[in-house]
Amino acid sequence: ETGVTQSPTHLIKTRGQQVTLRCSSQSGHNTVSWYQQALGQGPQFIFQYYREEENGRGNFPPRFSGLQFPNYSSELNVNALELDDSALYLCASSSVRDSYNEQFFGPGTRLTVL
Amino acid sequence: DAKTTQPPSMDCAEGRAANLPCNHSTISGNEYVYWYRQIHSQGPQYIIHGLKNNETNEMASLIITEDRKSSTLILPHATLRDTAVYYCIVRSLYLGGATNKLIFGTGTLLAVQP
Repeated sequence: ETGVTQSPTHLIKTRGQQVTLRCSSQSGHNTVSWYQQALGQGPQFIFQYYREEENGRGNFPPRFSGLQFPNYSSELNVNALELDDSALYLCASSSVRDSYNEQFFGPGTRLTVL
Repeated sequence: DAKTTQPPSMDCAEGRAANLPCNHSTISGNEYVYWYRQIHSQGPQYIIHGLKNNETNEMASLIITEDRKSSTLILPHATLRDTAVYYCIVRSLYLGGATNKLIFGTGTLLAVQP
């Protein structure tokens, strides 16, 4: 059984650029959630994908968007990067069949916006 | 989902039990208490969850008060590798189609001292 993987591990961008982060869910999981974690804070829910559609969204602007693919992997896209977007971006997978919905997190992508 | 309150930091001597408290006075009858931890620069890791009975697994024990307004996570023999931020989260069970999100606070930084 493979765990949740994310790529890249680190990324540096400049303000105004666009970025794409990738996540492969754990084997057997069909739901992917994305979280943003600023320094010293707990993770904040961005959105969730299930059946290739967005299924819930946190308080993030539309320039944060995502995709889920038929193999349940996912992408997080952020347009028009701002300095405050600098954070650790976490992906978590879970199964809709698991009512206790234990979420398995990847190691994260550290994004720095200069 | 109900809000939780945790102390910002705690110390524990290596080999001793670490008792991490959490207040969740507004918890409702169908909400569970979940604990996750996050070791520095890694993704959060599920530890344990419970409804009203005490729970134990290979990682920890969870003690929930009879009125369910507070709980304690117990690491019976803390090691240096248990140094992490511990998050207490209250949520209801996942229902198919609902958003499976976790609402993190700032957690408790547990520092295990040699």
